[in-house]
Amino acid sequence: AQSVAQPEDQVNVAEGNPLTVKCTYSVSGNPYLFWYVQYPNRGLQFLLKYITGDNLVKGSYGFEAEFNKSQTSFHLKKPSALVSDSALYFCAVRDPHTGGFKTIFGAGTRLFVKA
Amino acid sequence: EAGVTQFPSHSVIEKGQTVTLRCDPISGHDNLYWYRRVMGKEIKFLLHFVKESKQDESGMPNNRFLAERTGGTYSTLKVQPAELEDSGVYFCASSQDGARQDQETQYFGPGTRLLVL
Repeated sequence: AQSVAQPEDQVNVAEGNPLTVKCTYSVSGNPYLFWYVQYPNRGLQFLLKYITGDNLVKGSYGFEAEFNKSQTSFHLKKPSALVSDSALYFCAVRDPHTGGFKTIFGAGTRLFVKA
Repeated sequence: EAGVTQFPSHSVIEKGQTVTLRCDPISGHDNLYWYRRVMGKEIKFLLHFVKESKQDESGMPNNRFLAERTGGTYSTLKVQPAELEDSGVYFCASSQDGARQDQETQYFGPGTRLLVL
């Protein structure tokens, strides 16, 4: 079955340090991968997506993610965290062969960046 | 350009009552989706409209849920009668048409927080 795992409920990082939010997926074939962020009392905002091509994808607000097919991972990274990055982050996947436009989400990882 | 909007932002109802949620997609987006996040768990797909037609409603939990998109513009999601387990955040998303529709970004609204007591 198609699934997305975000193994950490919460990630804590100091401002200025690099951050990583982990995501692994279980989808046959070549998936489409997405990251969304939800700020308090706001909707989900699109950060970036991987469809094909270069494994390193750059997105909004200085975030990037690397697609690793052998490890079935799509970790979100940022070289230098800001306090304003504190939010809830969702990894998501679509299976172009079976799932169509249905997006499958992970449970979310809460990121706390302290000053 | 206005984003996806949802109304109401919050709703508190009693078990057995009816609630109707509304979603206005981004103008010109033919594709509209409903998702739900229950109790801090993952966000789950409910259904997908292309214009006024239901393309995929495999995620609808049961026949107490009815989604419509008359005229292919805004959509409503009605829960009747509501049960305790229906509590959660209901998200709407929209995407534009494209050659590879499954690659298109889905843009989400702020969600409606539903609490059934």
